[in-house]
Amino acid sequence: DIQMTQSPSSLSASVGDRVTITCLASQDINNYLSWYQQKPGKAPRLLIYDTSNLETGVPSRFSGSGSGTDFSFTISSLQPEDIATYYCQQYDNFPPTFGQGTKLEI
Amino acid sequence: EVQLLESGGTLVQPGGSLRLSCEFSGFSFSAHAMSWVRQAPGKGLEWVSAIVPAGGSTYYADSVKGRFSISRDNSKNTLSLQMNRLRGDDTGVYYCAKVQRTISLLVMDVWGQGTAVTVSS
Repeated sequence: DIQMTQSPSSLSASVGDRVTITCLASQDINNYLSWYQQKPGKAPRLLIYDTSNLETGVPSRFSGSGSGTDFSFTISSLQPEDIATYYCQQYDNFPPTFGQGTKLEI
Repeated sequence: EVQLLESGGTLVQPGGSLRLSCEFSGFSFSAHAMSWVRQAPGKGLEWVSAIVPAGGSTYYADSVKGRFSISRDNSKNTLSLQMNRLRGDDTGVYYCAKVQRTISLLVMDVWGQGTAVTVSS
């Protein structure tokens, strides 16, 4: 299985900050990477797919980039409603695998 | 509006069985692959199983292979997960999710609210 390693595991930031989370795959995943947001007690929400494509309805302050094995997720200006745990997921190979999550706090 | 509603989660003893269901509305259910993802208490997300639109092909995580069975009834817009020989590490919230494109590109774009399964004596 492909291992996905996110960093950091937790992050404290202030409103308006630029925040970046990284995700490292154990092998090349051909840019088949997505990012999900999960708020406490809620289901995950798809934010980004294919490394950098924004899901419909997702604010433009969220973005993704990367290639090969190294990927990143950025919030350009942190808002209070962005407090959540964020997960990367590869879907290049079965089984699809998730990173361990990054808990974002203000 | 696209909606997914899971049901069937409860407390069950180790070695027992449970059937989860997920009802859909607001989209063409039979056109999309579907998936189950679970989350142990305080832990991350783990993909469990997926099924193609017509139901002919199914896929499982190694951790549940041989114990869990995914199925769908397109006439009733329902997805199911039959869970047998349950273990303590099967405890968690189980989400059903719609696959965005094809099963070979398993991105999940719509999720249910989840149903909680507890395996304990």
